[in-house]
Amino acid sequence: GAGVSQSPSNKVTEKGKDVELRCDPISGHTALYWYRQSLGQGLEFLIYFQGNSAPDKSGLPSDRFSAERTGGSVSTLTIQRTQQEDSAVYLCASSFNPLGTSEETQYFGPGTRLLVL
Amino acid sequence: KQEVTQIPAALSVPEGENLVLNCSFTDSAIYNLQWFRQDPGKGLTSLLLIQSSQREQTSGRLNASLDKSSGRSTLYIAASQPGDSATYLCACEGGGADGLTFGKGTHLIIQP
Repeated sequence: GAGVSQSPSNKVTEKGKDVELRCDPISGHTALYWYRQSLGQGLEFLIYFQGNSAPDKSGLPSDRFSAERTGGSVSTLTIQRTQQEDSAVYLCASSFNPLGTSEETQYFGPGTRLLVL
Repeated sequence: KQEVTQIPAALSVPEGENLVLNCSFTDSAIYNLQWFRQDPGKGLTSLLLIQSSQREQTSGRLNASLDKSSGRSTLYIAASQPGDSATYLCACEGGGADGLTFGKGTHLIIQP
């Protein structure tokens, strides 16, 4: 079956522009996660959705970042007024069961490579 | 706050050798620990997941162990092959809604 898909695969934008990144999770997966991988840095957790709800948004780097999920499926991560430090690979993952289920594996998409000039 | 450290940061070995990658974490209150591989320009592929109540998991030539009390996990790769070349990431899932906490990875090169 289809895995997690993300679009676009690459995005180049100018500083100050808004960008929207999309994630399509595996069908039937209730949990969805966004991570960021910056050059030379580890993977950084951004936000988690259980269904359409995000219990904790404190992982988002700044108030320029927002995320939503509709219909318990597709999620979008929006970055407003992009800055050069936002350049990174943005990875989405999904899992069948929510966080705290000890046997749950997260399945990752290929990522969106964002470059802010 | 959970911190995950992976040693070594990079490793290059000849084909056929057995090798061990190390992962340590500071908070033993985890639900599970997962090992992933990441190939250049691609997403993550899950290799093994060890639940907090388990000590090890095996898949083919891979064996991962977990010692919660000491905050350590190892990934053992037997009879390494050039196709094993990738970055290997260790990640812990704790309580709450914090997702996975990742180490920075071990960049592995298997020389043909």
